[in-house]
Amino acid sequence: TQLLEQSPQFLSIQEGENLTVYCNSSSVFSSLQWYRQEPGEGPVLLVTVVTGGEVKKLKRLTFQFGDARKDSSLHITAAQPGDTGLYLCAGERAGNMLTFGGGTRLMVKP
Amino acid sequence: KAGVTQTPRYLIKTRGQQVTLSCSPISGHRSVSWYQQTPGQGLQFLFEYFSETQRNKGNFPGRFSGRQFSNSRSEMNVSTLELGDSALYLCASSLWGVQETQYFGPGTRLLVL
Repeated sequence: TQLLEQSPQFLSIQEGENLTVYCNSSSVFSSLQWYRQEPGEGPVLLVTVVTGGEVKKLKRLTFQFGDARKDSSLHITAAQPGDTGLYLCAGERAGNMLTFGGGTRLMVKP
Repeated sequence: KAGVTQTPRYLIKTRGQQVTLSCSPISGHRSVSWYQQTPGQGLQFLFEYFSETQRNKGNFPGRFSGRQFSNSRSEMNVSTLELGDSALYLCASSLWGVQETQYFGPGTRLLVL
C-alpha cells in the first residue's frame, strides 16, 4: 500500500482539455513536491508546496496543498502534447526522506 | 552547470552477481539520495548521504548499500542480485537535503537475468 495514493493512474485526453491529478494520504507532510518524468530521464521538479491551503501557479499548471497538508492536486488547463509524461507527487516527512506516489501517466493527443 | 551524471546508463547482470552504480552530483551539492523505480512499486527511497555520512535509509534489505566520497560523488552497491532488483536506479542531489529542489540524474537501468 502506497503512503501517497495518486489518481488516476493513467489519463489519455485530447489537446485542449483540462485535467486534475490527485495525491492523497492519511499522513501529514512538511511539504509536497510535484515532478514530471519523461522517458529515459529522471524526474524534474515542477513545484514545492509548503503551507496548508497554498495554491501555486506555473503557467497552465495549478498546484494546491490541502489545508491539513495531507493531500494535493495538480490541475492542467488546456493540455498540450508537450504535457505528456509521468507526474509524480512526493511528500517530505521528518527525517529528510521523500515518499513518492505511484504516479499518473498522462498522454495528451493532438 | 553540469547536471547529475550516472554511470553506467545500462547494465545487464545475472542472479547472484553484484553491481556498483555511480553518481556524480551537481558541483557544490552535498546531499545525494538514491531511489529505485519499478513499474509495480514506483519510486522508492533507498538512502541519502550527506557529507560522507548516511543520514537516512529506506526499507530495503542489507544487500543494498552505498557510500559517499569526500567530493560528494556517491556509489551504491547491490550484492547477490535477484531478478526483482531489475529496475531504474536514480540518484538525486541537492545542496542540503530532500526539502530542497532535488536534481535527478537520468538513471541506470539494471536488468538482472
